[in-house]
Amino acid sequence: DIQMTQSPASLSASLGETVTIECRASEDIYSNLAWYQQKPGNSPQLLIYDANSLADGVPSRFSGSGSGTQYSLKINSLQSEDVASYFCQQYNNYYTFGAGTKLELK
Amino acid sequence: EVQLVESGGGLVQPGRSLKLSCAASGFTFSNYYMAWVRQAPKKGLEWVATISTSGSRTYYPDSVKGRFTISRDNAKSSLYLQMNSLKSEDTATYYCARRELGYWYFDFWGPGTMVTVSS
Repeated sequence: DIQMTQSPASLSASLGETVTIECRASEDIYSNLAWYQQKPGNSPQLLIYDANSLADGVPSRFSGSGSGTQYSLKINSLQSEDVASYFCQQYNNYYTFGAGTKLELK
Repeated sequence: EVQLVESGGGLVQPGRSLKLSCAASGFTFSNYYMAWVRQAPKKGLEWVATISTSGSRTYYPDSVKGRFTISRDNAKSSLYLQMNSLKSEDTATYYCARRELGYWYFDFWGPGTMVTVSS
């Protein structure tokens, strides 16, 4: 099974700041990686797929990058509505999710 | 408007069974693979099952294989999850999710239904 190690587990940032969340796979997942945003009390929403493609309707301040085993999600100019948990997901071999990153405002 | 609405959750005793349903609307249901993903309270996400467009192929992780069965009725635009021999560790919110044919990520999720396994 492919393991996904996501960091940090929690993050506190100020409005307008840039934040980065990382995900490391236990083996090469060939950019078969998605990022999801989950706001409190809601279901996950797709942000990024294929490591760096923005899903429909997602603001351009979100971006994804990476290859091989290392991937990251960057949020530029943090907005209040970005307060949420973020999960990475590999789909190279079935599905595994990272443990999540809880993003709060400082 | 795309909608996925899960139902059937509740409190069930260990060892018993429960069947979840997911009603789909706003898209051509038969064109999509469908899946169930669960999230234990305050925990991360775990994939539970996937079914092909026709229902002829199903996939499960080891944690539920042999206990859970995913199925679908394309005429009713509905997805199901039959859960048998339930354990306390199956306690979670169960989400129904859509996967477009030819792609592997989940592009739309329902609001979820809570399952609590406890005596």
